[in-house]
Amino acid sequence: ETGVTQTPRHLVMGMTNKKSLKCEQHLGHNAMYWYKQSAKKPLELMFVYNFKEQTENNSVPSRFSPECPNSSHLFLHLHTLQPEDSALYLCASSQPGTGGEETQYFGPGTRLLVL
Amino acid sequence: AQKVTQAQTEISVVEKEDVTLDCVYETRDTTYYLFWYKQPPSGELVFLIRRNSFDEQNEISGRYSWNFQKSTSSFNFTITASQVVDSAVYFCALLYRGYQKVTFGTGTKLQVIP
Repeated sequence: ETGVTQTPRHLVMGMTNKKSLKCEQHLGHNAMYWYKQSAKKPLELMFVYNFKEQTENNSVPSRFSPECPNSSHLFLHLHTLQPEDSALYLCASSQPGTGGEETQYFGPGTRLLVL
Repeated sequence: AQKVTQAQTEISVVEKEDVTLDCVYETRDTTYYLFWYKQPPSGELVFLIRRNSFDEQNEISGRYSWNFQKSTSSFNFTITASQVVDSAVYFCALLYRGYQKVTFGTGTKLQVIP
């Protein structure tokens, strides 16, 4: 595997379900990100992790719970979601603090539908 | 505050035509990076180019070219001889050096008609 991978690619869940999204990067980066992309809206940054530590939470509701066990893996745990949470969830990674190499590389995303 | 404006919401061109996607940005910082990403229907954001604020040299990569003009705060993207595979949503983005929060534009949806 190369680049950034995400599983599952598609997910349908009820409002009472609990599910998790997984992201893995094979680029040797130390920063990972979760973004939400809803129809007709700009990409929204949700969380940033640097060296496994959360460094940004962009006022995300607590029904979204991120986890970063190591620099290569990032999870987004979902529980009691609302229909308006239906969106494409994108994971990205970058190598911070390298004076210009902060390009973020994205995974293919998970299309989430909440019923 | 940072802002990226992509005024063109949707563009349709016939295959082999040239097309330019506009991007205008606002920033008070002197050191920053500009990006273009492509998002095909599959959903993945594909990195195309990064430009830093000190380098106004235009760049060409195959059928793609980028025109960076600090005087007008623009970073436009031209596709020459467009192809159906170019159909996608294209995002322009801005990042301050030393920060990690990328500001994305709202995207331009390009449809290339065979």
